[in-house]
Amino acid sequence: EAGVAQSPRYKIIEKRQSVAFWCNPISGHATLYWYQQILGQGPKLLIQFQNNGVVDDSQLPKDRFSAERLKGVDSTLKIQPAKLEDSAVYLCASSLAGGTNTGELFFGEGSRLTVL
Amino acid sequence: AQTVTQSQPEMSVQEAETVTLSCTYDTSESDYYLFWYKQPPSRQMILVIRQEAYKQQNATENRFSVNFQKAAKSFSLKISDSQLGDAAMYFCAFSGTYKYIFGTGTRLKVLA
Repeated sequence: EAGVAQSPRYKIIEKRQSVAFWCNPISGHATLYWYQQILGQGPKLLIQFQNNGVVDDSQLPKDRFSAERLKGVDSTLKIQPAKLEDSAVYLCASSLAGGTNTGELFFGEGSRLTVL
Repeated sequence: AQTVTQSQPEMSVQEAETVTLSCTYDTSESDYYLFWYKQPPSRQMILVIRQEAYKQQNATENRFSVNFQKAAKSFSLKISDSQLGDAAMYFCAFSGTYKYIFGTGTRLKVLA
């Protein structure tokens, strides 16, 4: 079974530029998460989708971050314009479970962003 | 709001010895799940062990076991017979209604 796919693995941009990350979850997984993991810290939830609807985006900086999940499968996370403090690894995860979040999360390898 | 606290930024253990990683959490929910995830250097995060809050029996998975104290809101991970491959960041995680949050992690070093 294929795992969670993310791309690109690495991205270096100048501040104020834009960047987009892509995630393809495990087939059949209804729930998709985007986490931001700053070096030395735990993952911080940015947004959670249930199918193609948003369940929680309370910690998403909506003035610069946006995310969508078309047709309840793939998802993209966009940052525009990027700031220095956005340098982090962006983790995508998926799970079978629904709104009660009872299940194991399956993570991708992450997309490492460096903002100069 | 739910919180997860890991107070040990780093731990070391000799190969073949036992180590315990600590985690405390705060929630007003009665039904929830707790997890320990492992993140090896430059590799994907994977699930180590999971505990349902309604179960009194502590979960075990081979060399990994937990000590779940619901009243104290404590959830520690014990690794027995530590191996070099256990070296990684370990994250405690809480999942309740619509929330899935992680602690700050504990870096485990295994000494040969």
